[in-house]
Amino acid sequence: DQQVKQNSPSLSVQEGRISILNCDYTNSMFDYFLWYKKYPAEGPTFLISISSIKDKNEDGRFTVFLNKSAKHLSLHIVPSQPGDSAVYFCAARTYKYIFGTGTRLKVLA
Amino acid sequence: KAGVTQTPRYLIKTRGQQVTLSCSPISGHRSVSWYQQTPGQGLQFLFEYFSETQRNKGNFPGRFSGRQFSNSRSEMNVSTLELGDSALYLCASSPDLTGTYNEQFFGPGTRLTVL
Repeated sequence: DQQVKQNSPSLSVQEGRISILNCDYTNSMFDYFLWYKKYPAEGPTFLISISSIKDKNEDGRFTVFLNKSAKHLSLHIVPSQPGDSAVYFCAARTYKYIFGTGTRLKVLA
Repeated sequence: KAGVTQTPRYLIKTRGQQVTLSCSPISGHRSVSWYQQTPGQGLQFLFEYFSETQRNKGNFPGRFSGRQFSNSRSEMNVSTLELGDSALYLCASSPDLTGTYNEQFFGPGTRLTVL
């Protein structure tokens, strides 16, 4: 049973536009959510996080939104840059982290 | 500060063999977690070690085991390899237990291919 789902395996966006990556979860006990970015041949690197008591967290071009009633998490990247092209994983925490299957973002120059 | 290191980076084994993967966490980090990444499955949690003790475990068979040493370095062992064990194995370290500290720092992974 996949408790954290990223339903879009891939996304293409024009440089300078907004990228929106989505994540849905089923377990209301998750208390912390994170986004990781992964380049080929590298491990995932932490991008941004949000506690379950908040609904928005911003860090530069990256903003994460949490809608607890809908059990939905999204990552907004504005403006998108070619260097943002990578696989993005969302993760949710109880006593362990549960990861989604990832969304491959391609930013077109 | 040096990051998380994993050795070897690539490994080819045959069915039935066993394999040991190594992970050195960031200096001062006491928690080490292991994940398996396969196409379409995301990162699947294997186990977490803290202070030389396994603290949490995912839903993997007993063929998957691990240990942690007093210097926080960790090893993961897979016995009686199956074709389906082919994957990228990622190690992540953190200063404290999952649930206490909010971020994990990942190594580059070990790519295991089982023939």
